[in-house]
Amino acid sequence: QITLKESGPTLVKPTQTLTLTCTVSGFSLSTNEGGVGWIRQPPGKALEWLALIYWDDDKRYSPSLKSRLTITKDTSKNQVVLTMTNMDPVDTATYYCAHSPGMAAAGTVDFDYWGQGTLVTVSS
Amino acid sequence: SYELIQPPSVSVSPGQTASITCSGDKLGYKYACWYQQKPGQSPVLVIYQDNKRPSGIPERFSGSNSGNTATLTISGTQAMDEADYYCQAWDRSVVFGGGTKLTVL
Repeated sequence: QITLKESGPTLVKPTQTLTLTCTVSGFSLSTNEGGVGWIRQPPGKALEWLALIYWDDDKRYSPSLKSRLTITKDTSKNQVVLTMTNMDPVDTATYYCAHSPGMAAAGTVDFDYWGQGTLVTVSS
Repeated sequence: SYELIQPPSVSVSPGQTASITCSGDKLGYKYACWYQQKPGQSPVLVIYQDNKRPSGIPERFSGSNSGNTATLTISGTQAMDEADYYCQAWDRSVVFGGGTKLTVL
């Protein structure tokens, strides 16, 4: 059974760096069992994809946010970490991590298991 | 950048068929998937690779993708299907549609 759980601060100040951790179980981050992505959703708005990392350390980023994002994984801890720099109030959103069973190289990217999400508020 | 366009809202009567469209340039040449999201909950994948249903998703959910349009069809719509629906595809990055609120009334 695949599960994912997000953790991190609920409140950050403008200009600070946000660090979120996704702890996974039920699949391996070091073998070909898919990847982990980060998706966010501002209150009342649509989903927005942020980043994706695969077992072989292939990393993909949203073109519009690429300069602010870094995604890494720690296979020993079964964790995927997302950092986002220079936070702004418009970055207030629920941040989700999710499992992607396919491969970007094959064009089969979808998210079959999602975490519960964590609300991050950006305010001074 | 690539865009996926969905109608903001769709209404359907209980027991009828609901169709939600997702439009994008040459979308039929890409794989499309669909998520259902109810208030306060995480999204749930209901269709992947155009027309495949994950385990546990009712048969009344189906999908198609051709030309510039992918369509999510819900046959015999039930009150529990009232939710926001998002399409998603891959075009050198993950792209989500703007979402469609399905109202069952």
